Amino acid sequence: EIVMTQTPLSLSVTPGQPASISCKSSQNLHSAGKTYLYWYLQKPGQSPQLLIYEVSNRFSGVPDRFIGSGSGTDFTLKISRVEAEDVGVYYCGQSIQLPPTFGGGTKVEIK
Amino acid sequence: QVQLVESGGRVVQVRPGTSLRISCAAAGFTFSSYGMQWVRQAPGKGLEWVAVIWYDGSKKYYSESVKGRFTVSRDNSKSALYLQMNSLRVEDTAVYYCATSSSTFDLWGRGTLVTVSS
Repeated sequence: EIVMTQTPLSLSVTPGQPASISCKSSQNLHSAGKTYLYWYLQKPGQSPQLLIYEVSNRFSGVPDRFIGSGSGTDFTLKISRVEAEDVGVYYCGQSIQLPPTFGGGTKVEIK
Repeated sequence: QVQLVESGGRVVQVRPGTSLRISCAAAGFTFSSYGMQWVRQAPGKGLEWVAVIWYDGSKKYYSESVKGRFTVSRDNSKSALYLQMNSLRVEDTAVYYCATSSSTFDLWGRGTLVTVSS
């Protein structure tokens, strides 16, 4: 199965400052014109919610401060200006191959 | 209201080796148009995909950790998704989320905590 590796494990960010999370996959996630890399946020006590699909497409209602980028096996989620509501655990995930797999998560907290 | 609601209670406790079926009721959208999946999260841990079923039930896939023990099914006439879990193990203890399997329509239930303990 494809292994997804996220760094760092945790981030403490001052409101208004940027934050960046890295995700590396053990295999290329690109196929037939698409790259099957997703970003999810699980806020405290809530279910996960999709933020970004296919590397850089923001899901409906996701603020434009969330920016996904990358290609092949290396991906990044950037939050241009962190807000208090952005706290939680961020997961990257892939669906190019069964089983779908997730990274271990990055916990973001506010300083 | 667009939602997925897992039934059987928010918390369920069972003994190792026993069986349990959890359900997920969909509302507010055309359930029969979407593939559906189960994803679980052990206490304090990350996300683990469990199973997926095609929109029409024609295909089903499982993680290696549950293959042969768990069965996913759906009833589109009732807008319902099911996960039959047999031969439960302590390591199956987790919150089980039902979710759509679509990048254009992402919806998750609130989850059911299944605790397997003697």
